[in-house]
Amino acid sequence: AQSVTQLDSQVPVFEEAPVELRCNYSSSVSVYLFWYVQYPNQGLQLLLKYLSGSTLVESINGFEAEFNKSQTSFHLRKPSVHISDTAEYFCAVSYGQNFVFGPGTRLSVLP
Amino acid sequence: GAVVSQHPSRVICKSGTSVKIECRSLDFQATTMFWYRQFPKQSLMLMATSNEGSKATYEQGVEKDKFLINHASLTLSTLTVTSAHPEDSSFYICSALARDQVGAEQYFGPGTRLTVT
Repeated sequence: AQSVTQLDSQVPVFEEAPVELRCNYSSSVSVYLFWYVQYPNQGLQLLLKYLSGSTLVESINGFEAEFNKSQTSFHLRKPSVHISDTAEYFCAVSYGQNFVFGPGTRLSVLP
Repeated sequence: GAVVSQHPSRVICKSGTSVKIECRSLDFQATTMFWYRQFPKQSLMLMATSNEGSKATYEQGVEKDKFLINHASLTLSTLTVTSAHPEDSSFYICSALARDQVGAEQYFGPGTRLTVT
């Protein structure tokens, strides 16, 4: 069965500092990988995704994630965070029509 | 990009009543929609998979008679919480797969906050 692990439930970081949110997955089949962001009382917004091709994917707001097949990881990084990046971040994998979410990581950006 | 809407965004209902939540794909057809439930500070829990024109597939532990799902068209799925109780209070989120995009991303609605008093 497929599973997603996000080891850090909470990540506090100061504004303009770099951040990495970790995501590892377990799967016996090929999967697609996603990062979603959720602001308070809102739905999920797609941040970035890996379907195929280059293993490094980027979002329009400065986040990037790298698919590492050997380590079964898809860590999310940003070199300099803003207060507005404070949110819940979910890593997810999909295979066929199935979708599995990680437990989420609360990123808190401190002034 | 693909847009999914949910209505209502917030609803308060009394214990014992039923409430219907709508999920619409606004600019694409969705043969498959999903319903999730999210408890505070927790991840999304898949409740059921809704396929247009057929019965929904419920996850283990989800009562199909309590959470009625109807996917009557390629752009609309509804979730009806019947005989609601306070423990049904939660954030309900739907998502949709664009047609012929199996394995690709899901497009999520903004969620519906249900409070049962």
